[in-house]
Amino acid sequence: EADIYQTPRYLVIGTGKKITLECSQTMGHDKMYWYQQDPGMELHLIHYSYGVNSTEKGDLSSESTVSRIRTEHFPLTLESARPSHTSQYLCASSAGDRGHSPLHFGNGTRLTVT
Amino acid sequence: GESVGLHLPTLSVQEGDNSIINCAYSNSASDYFIWYKQESGKGPQFIIDIRSNMDKRQGQRVTVLLNKTVKHLSLQIAATQPGDSAVYFCAEILNNQFYFGTGTSLTVIP
Repeated sequence: EADIYQTPRYLVIGTGKKITLECSQTMGHDKMYWYQQDPGMELHLIHYSYGVNSTEKGDLSSESTVSRIRTEHFPLTLESARPSHTSQYLCASSAGDRGHSPLHFGNGTRLTVT
Repeated sequence: GESVGLHLPTLSVQEGDNSIINCAYSNSASDYFIWYKQESGKGPQFIIDIRSNMDKRQGQRVTVLLNKTVKHLSLQIAATQPGDSAVYFCAEILNNQFYFGTGTSLTVIP
């Protein structure tokens, strides 16, 4: 079982609110990722980081930001939540040895924006 | 982006039978592949991986086969159990980027 933790597990919030989804891993992995997943759908990359102070945008990054101040922590912030943000958000990490390391996922945050 | 597709969206098998889940990938340059299992309400769980220099890899009750000629990946689960019921999807890794398919929902009938 991978040691990657996401909080909260469930969140219901009103439109326009600012929210931060937390993700921490205790494996010392350099690479961390945020994915969005709707039911029955594939994962879409939002942001990723290859190390401290390094962040990159994925396919769905335009309405969110991330930070990587510490190796173990990779929070995702939505500045102004909208109903279209309702989804499951999955955080993942990997050891990052030239791409031949699997992603280890947390159990996700299920976000509902009303 | 890359296309990683699964042949069947749903699969039902009798408990004790073997299951085969298929995946097609589009880029012959992809050098690493992973199968994940995702149970309801949980994040994807790593099952088994295979590098492009291999054709077959076995784990506990699972085998992954890679056919680079037709760009096809399969996951075989032996003696399927009720606890195997989940969504299974493959990931294709190219240039350190992961590309995921939508998944196949496996239902095990007791």
